[in-house]
Amino acid sequence: DTGVSQNPRHKITKRGQNVTFRCDPISEHNRLYWYRQTLGQGPEFLTYFQNEAQLEKSRLLSDRFSAERPKGSFSTLEIQRTEQGDSAMYLCASSSRIGLAGETDTQYFGPGTRLTVL
Amino acid sequence: AQSVTQLDSQVPVFEEAPVELRCNYSSSVSVYLFWYVQYPNQGLQLLLKYLSGSTLVESINGFEAEFNKSQTSFHLRKPSVHISDTAEYFCAVTKNSGYSTLTFGKGTMLLVSP
Repeated sequence: DTGVSQNPRHKITKRGQNVTFRCDPISEHNRLYWYRQTLGQGPEFLTYFQNEAQLEKSRLLSDRFSAERPKGSFSTLEIQRTEQGDSAMYLCASSSRIGLAGETDTQYFGPGTRLTVL
Repeated sequence: AQSVTQLDSQVPVFEEAPVELRCNYSSSVSVYLFWYVQYPNQGLQLLLKYLSGSTLVESINGFEAEFNKSQTSFHLRKPSVHISDTAEYFCAVTKNSGYSTLTFGKGTMLLVSP
């Protein structure tokens, strides 16, 4: 396994359209996180999954955002009716607390999906 | 809740000079601390981390950071930088019990010039 992968890497869309991003975590990791990073800022937490359960959502995650992890493996993040303010880099990370000494809650990030809303 | 302050938004330095990127955190509970590096148009790569044990942690490419609990700091240092170290560096904190999301600082852009 080569790490966390995200698709697409870049997405350009028009305001009002829906977009969906995919994240494939490191295979043995049961925890998956989504973050959003805007220009000049550090990543900000959006939501967290443990296996297939979505356990926490940030206030940044408006009703237009929805995330799923149906089988506890890959995850999707959908944004409905995109707005220009949604333009950002969307980062996915995964981690594991199971059986990996020294890896407690160490999050490994994917390359991100850069969204541009015109 | 945790918070992270990176005091410098940009640090220019000449190649082969030493550098220190500052990070201070705030938390009411014990924490884990991380430094991530981000090259242009790429995701974050873990540089080094403090979970427990020795307060001085090192990366494979010559960076080191020291956890100072009394000063609530986790500054990143390198004795001699290379052009290839030019990147954005993010300090992050998470609580050390149960699951926890990362709280990041705003980042410090390290600009290494010849």
